[in-house]
Amino acid sequence: EDKVVQSPLSLVVHEGDTVTLNCSYEVTNFRSLLWYKQEKKAPTFLFMLTSSGIEKKSGRLSSILDKKELFSILNITATQTGDSAVYLCAVDYGGNQFYFGTGTSLTVIP
Amino acid sequence: GAGVSQSPSNKVTEKGKDVELRCDPISGHTALYWYRQSLGQGLEFLIYFQGNSAPDKSGLPSDRFSAERTGGSVSTLTIQRTQQEDSAVYLCASSLDRAPGNTIYFGEGSWLTVV
Repeated sequence: EDKVVQSPLSLVVHEGDTVTLNCSYEVTNFRSLLWYKQEKKAPTFLFMLTSSGIEKKSGRLSSILDKKELFSILNITATQTGDSAVYLCAVDYGGNQFYFGTGTSLTVIP
Repeated sequence: GAGVSQSPSNKVTEKGKDVELRCDPISGHTALYWYRQSLGQGLEFLIYFQGNSAPDKSGLPSDRFSAERTGGSVSTLTIQRTQQEDSAVYLCASSLDRAPGNTIYFGEGSWLTVV
């Protein structure tokens, strides 16, 4: 069965720390992997990855995909309290939906 | 519109009542998705529309749930005879189409509480 697994489930860090969030997947007909940040209700789009080894970067956030090992990581450097959120990973396999992981809950304490 | 718009933002209803949740996707987006997220849980897929057609309704939890989309735009998710386990955030999302490389964008969600 196709699936997307995220780890860790939750994480508590201090401001200024660097964190790495993991997303592994097992789907047929992989097309892309997407990262979202969910603070209250609506997940907001961060990155879409389609090719292995090409890092996507936006400010302190970056992400990379390994299609051979079937995983992606999301890095956040110099974390701030505003980074506290649930980070969701989703995979497009070309079907009728995007498969979502259960998310990693990140808490950044001052 | 500029983004995906959902209404109502919050709805409290009595058990047994029917509710309608509305989604207005990004203008020009032909693909529309409904997901449900219970407290502390991941996103549960409900239904996908391509235009006005729903190729796959298997994600709907029971026959109390139905959805339609008209004019290739606005979609309505209807829950009949609501139960307490229906309490969740109902998220709508849209994408340009289902071609590879398209991103899905979410609305703010409708928080449903059944009392």
